[in-house]
Amino acid sequence: GNSVTQMEGPVTLSEEAFLTINCTYTATGYPSLFWYVQYPGEGLQLLLKATKADDKGSNKGFEATYRKETTSFHLEKGSVQVSDSAVYFCALRGLTGGGNKLTFGTGTQLKVEL
Amino acid sequence: GAVVSQHPSWVICKSGTSVKIECRSLDFQATTMFWYRQFPKQSLMLMATSNEGSKATYEQGVEKDKFLINHASLTLSTLTVTSAHPEDSSFYICSARKEETASYEQYFGPGTRLTVT
Repeated sequence: GNSVTQMEGPVTLSEEAFLTINCTYTATGYPSLFWYVQYPGEGLQLLLKATKADDKGSNKGFEATYRKETTSFHLEKGSVQVSDSAVYFCALRGLTGGGNKLTFGTGTQLKVEL
Repeated sequence: GAVVSQHPSWVICKSGTSVKIECRSLDFQATTMFWYRQFPKQSLMLMATSNEGSKATYEQGVEKDKFLINHASLTLSTLTVTSAHPEDSSFYICSARKEETASYEQYFGPGTRLTVT
C-alpha cells in the first residue's frame, strides 16, 4: 500500500536559517504529492503540491520537487521566519482505492526562534 | 474562500456515552467529506469517506457501528462516537472536497479533541 515517511521533529531553527524537511514515499504508479501546514489551533492548509515527476511546487517561499528516482518530495525554504512555526505534513494521493484518498506522514513540527 | 468548521473544538465525556461531532463547509458545497483520526505524534488516519445522501464508506478496521457518520446535506457531516471508551480519546479531523473543482483538493477543519474519562 501507499505510505509516506517524513523526518521526526521537532526541528528548531533560528530565524533566517535554511529549512529542509525530508519526505519519501512508497506508492504504485505516479501519485500526486502534497505538503500541508497546520498552524496552532487551525486546520491543515495546503501549502504546495506537485502532480508529476520533476514538477516543483512552491508557495510562500517554500519549495518541493517531485523526484521519482528517489521517491522523495523534500520541503525547503531559504530563510525561515518565526511565523513559519507550525507542523508540516507530507502527503500523497495515489491512484488506487479512489482518487480522493490522501495518505499522510506523521508530521514534522518546526519551531523558529529569534 | 473554502472554510471548514468543526464543532465542538474539544469535548470531554464519560465512558459509555455517545458524542456527536459536526463538520460544516461554510462557504461551499461538499458532496464528499472525510473523517480522520490523529494520535499524538502520528499521521492522520482516514476513518471514512462521507457521501451526501448515501452511506459512508469506511476504511478497513474502522467499526461502522461505533463511528456513525451522517451526511444529510451538502454542507454538513456528523460523526457520532457511540458508547465511547477511553481508547476512543483522540483528535478527530474532517475535510471537505470542494465540488466545483476537479482537483480533488480537500479543505480541512480545525479538529475536535475528544477525551473519554
